[in-house]
Amino acid sequence: EDKVVQSPLSLVVHEGDTVTLNCSYEVTNFRSLLWYKQEKKAPTFLFMLTSSGIEKKSGRLSSILDKKELFSILNITATQTGDSAIYLCAVKNAGYALNFGKGTSLLVTP
Amino acid sequence: DTAVSQTPKYLVTQMGNDKSIKCEQNLGHDTMYWYKQDSKKFLKIMFSYNNKELIINETVPNRFSPKSPDKAHLNLHINSLELGDSAVYFCASSPRAAFNEKLFFGSGTQLSVL
Repeated sequence: EDKVVQSPLSLVVHEGDTVTLNCSYEVTNFRSLLWYKQEKKAPTFLFMLTSSGIEKKSGRLSSILDKKELFSILNITATQTGDSAIYLCAVKNAGYALNFGKGTSLLVTP
Repeated sequence: DTAVSQTPKYLVTQMGNDKSIKCEQNLGHDTMYWYKQDSKKFLKIMFSYNNKELIINETVPNRFSPKSPDKAHLNLHINSLELGDSAVYFCASSPRAAFNEKLFFGSGTQLSVL
C-alpha cells in the first residue's frame, strides 16, 4: 500500500523565520508529487514535482524532489502570518487518485 | 464563476437520515473525485469517476453511493447516516485521470451527524 508521511505534524514559528516541511513516500509506480496549501476551505495547489533535483519556486516558497531517497521538502522563507495553514503533500502513482499525507499544520505568530 | 462548486456547504442532520451532496465543475474536466477529510485533517480518496464511469471505489461503506449523471456532475448520496460520517467532504476534478495533473478542489461540505 502506498504511504505518504509528512513531518513535522505541526510547527509554530515567528514571522520572518524560515521553515522546512518534509514529505517522504513509498509508492509503486511513482508519477508525481504535489504540494497543496489548505487554509479554511479548499486545498489550493502549490507545486507539482516529477523530476529529481529541479527546484520549483514561487515567491517565498520553493520545493524540491529527491526520487532516489523518496522525499520532498517545501521551504518557506521570511514567513508571514498569512502562511499559517495546513500544508498537504500528495503523491500520484500510475492509478487515478492522489494519495495524501496527514499534513503539517503551520502557525506563524506575529 | 466557481470552478468546482459543492452544495450544501454545511449539513447538520440526525443519525439514520439519508442525505445528498452535489458537485458540479465548469472546467470541462473528464475526471471527478470525492475525498473525505476527518477531524485530524487527513484527506482520503473515496470515489472517482472518469467520463461518468466509476474508476476508483475505495473501501467505503456501501451506505455511500456516488452518481455521475454527466461528466460535469458527481453527487454523493449517504444512507443511514452514522456519527462517524461527520467530516468535511471535498469534491475535486482533474482534466484526465491517468495523467500527472493537479486536482482542483471544491470548498467542501461540512457534515455533522448528531
